[in-house]
Amino acid sequence: SQQGEEDPQALSIQEGENATMNCSYKTSINNLQWYRQNSGRGLVHLILIRSNEREKHSGRLRVTLDTSKKSSSLLITASRAADTASYFCATGLIPGGSYIPTFGRGTSLIVHP
Amino acid sequence: SQTIHQWPATLVQPVGSPLSLECTVEGTSNPNLYWYRQAAGRGLQLLFYSVGIGQISSEVPQNLSASRPQDRQFILSSKKLLLSDSGFYLCACLGQLHGYTFGSGTRLTVV
Repeated sequence: SQQGEEDPQALSIQEGENATMNCSYKTSINNLQWYRQNSGRGLVHLILIRSNEREKHSGRLRVTLDTSKKSSSLLITASRAADTASYFCATGLIPGGSYIPTFGRGTSLIVHP
Repeated sequence: SQTIHQWPATLVQPVGSPLSLECTVEGTSNPNLYWYRQAAGRGLQLLFYSVGIGQISSEVPQNLSASRPQDRQFILSSKKLLLSDSGFYLCACLGQLHGYTFGSGTRLTVV
């Protein structure tokens, strides 16, 4: 099964700076999703971008998708200490009608106040 | 929107003991349900998924099993836990817009 792989594995920035995380995947997709996970908690869905979209915004989040390069990026602008978390991308498959998301290992973001 | 209830939040079990983790979903019917395991500092490994009552697909051979006795109930079980079963277990539900809703997770420590 295909898998999203995030890059970098860890990112440390100062409050107010922008944070950029990347995700690469292997095969064709119909959409790509980004999630956030605070330490010891479940994942929270942030944003979904469809394969026919190139860019999507939600508040301080900006997601881009380049299907020719099989990659996506998540930009968090004007970061805050509360943005400290792990961020995952996920791609979905529809083999035989079942939708199976696969996740990468995540980017651990630390925002220093 | 759907809500997932997952319990317990933490669990410490001895090697060889049985396991039962329960996940229930509210706010939707006939959902696709998933069990994931996350090792410390690692990504999510898909363990099982279910597209309906009594329908279970296993992604990885392991010491665990899953059951779906009701439409909105998904159970992860083991007859005899191994040390390697320790981890953070997450239940998830597929949403209508193809995003996923996750439970708050169960941290299992096998000692």
